[in-house]
Amino acid sequence: GAGVSQSPRYKVAKRGQDVALRCDPISGHVSLFWYQQALGQGPEFLTYFQNEAQLDKSGLPSDRFFAERPEGSVSTLKIQRTQQEDSAVYLCASSLRLAGGKSYGYTFGSGTRLTVV
Amino acid sequence: SQQGEEDPQALSIQEGENATMNCSYKTSINNLQWYRQNSGRGLVHLILIRSNEREKHSGRLRVTLDTSKKSSSLLITASRAADTASYFCATDSGGTASKLTFGTGTRLQVTL
Repeated sequence: GAGVSQSPRYKVAKRGQDVALRCDPISGHVSLFWYQQALGQGPEFLTYFQNEAQLDKSGLPSDRFFAERPEGSVSTLKIQRTQQEDSAVYLCASSLRLAGGKSYGYTFGSGTRLTVV
Repeated sequence: SQQGEEDPQALSIQEGENATMNCSYKTSINNLQWYRQNSGRGLVHLILIRSNEREKHSGRLRVTLDTSKKSSSLLITASRAADTASYFCATDSGGTASKLTFGTGTRLQVTL
């Protein structure tokens, strides 16, 4: 598609519920990133995929967070047993950049706003 | 954690005026990028400046980079009401992931 697509746009979850957030990157973008943005803050890195390989997951805040990209295109961020502190906007971004290659800007999706009640 | 700080945190100007936002960061970088975010929306890439560049222009945008001071500035000339948004700098320190580390953002309000 023309841009990065994320769904759902909004998600309200009861505390303890599991959620799954989807990201459709730009076709041909091998790099895919997930970021978490708390209200009034800049985005913070969660995890990075190069094709289907998860090369960096250092930003995932706990083992309740899990991300996958099994076929190197669509990615899913799963949060188990959601807590109130998980409330944030979750942004997905894709880029042409390969490790060690030329730098490009990222294209971000509109994000999923997760509210845990 | 955030890479650095942006100032001002908020800026209010009238249409037609210039807006300048500053960004400081902490570690060495491969490049620095500026993004705009409208309320409730995703980030839009504005401009990328590499560590060996000192200044870059794109339309009404001018970005400078001073690696010795670990700082950058974004100038928006002849601002418009549509420029109202939050602006973030983000540093790319290279490496395998080339992940971006964002600043805290500047909220720009342009009034008619």
